[in-house]
Amino acid sequence: AQSVAQPEDQVNVAEGNPLTVKCTYSVSGNPYLFWYVQYPNRGLQFLLKYITGDNLVKGSYGFEAEFNKSQTSFHLKKPSALVSDSALYFCAVQGATNKLIFGTGTLLAVQP
Amino acid sequence: GAVVSQHPSRVICKSGTSVKIECRSLDFQATTMFWYRQFPKQSLMLMATSNEGSKATYEQGVEKDKFLINHASLTLSTLTVTSAHPEDSSFYICSARTTGANTGELFFGEGSRLTVL
Repeated sequence: AQSVAQPEDQVNVAEGNPLTVKCTYSVSGNPYLFWYVQYPNRGLQFLLKYITGDNLVKGSYGFEAEFNKSQTSFHLKKPSALVSDSALYFCAVQGATNKLIFGTGTLLAVQP
Repeated sequence: GAVVSQHPSRVICKSGTSVKIECRSLDFQATTMFWYRQFPKQSLMLMATSNEGSKATYEQGVEKDKFLINHASLTLSTLTVTSAHPEDSSFYICSARTTGANTGELFFGEGSRLTVL
């Protein structure tokens, strides 16, 4: 069975500092990994994905994520956080079933 | 990116009534759409996979007679919550993947908040 773990319910960071939102996964076969962001009472917006190729994936709004096969991780990162980055972030994995399974989400709070 | 439209965005209904939520892909065709349910401060739970022209595939524990899904065209899927009760109150989100793109990202609707009184 495929699963995703986001170990942190909330991440707090000061504006201008780098941020990391953690994600680990479990899936049989090659994983397709995604990050989405959700603002209050809204649907999800796609940030980036890893399918194959370069382990460092660059996405929208200056975000990037690094695929680490040995650690089965796909942490989301940004060099300099903005207050407007404050939102709920979901990691997701798609395995052989073609279904997208989401982690529990991490609330990112960026303080000015 | 592709646009998925959901309607209504908010609905309040009385217990025992049925509510229909529409999900449309506006600028692409989607043979497959997915319906998720999200409880407050929780993750998205996949309810069912909606396949154009065939029956939906429901996840374990989801009542297919309670949550009726119809995917009549390549751009429209509907979720009907039948005989709604307060415990059905939730945020329902649909998503779609462009046809034939199994490795592509899902595009999400804005969600529909259902409140059952």
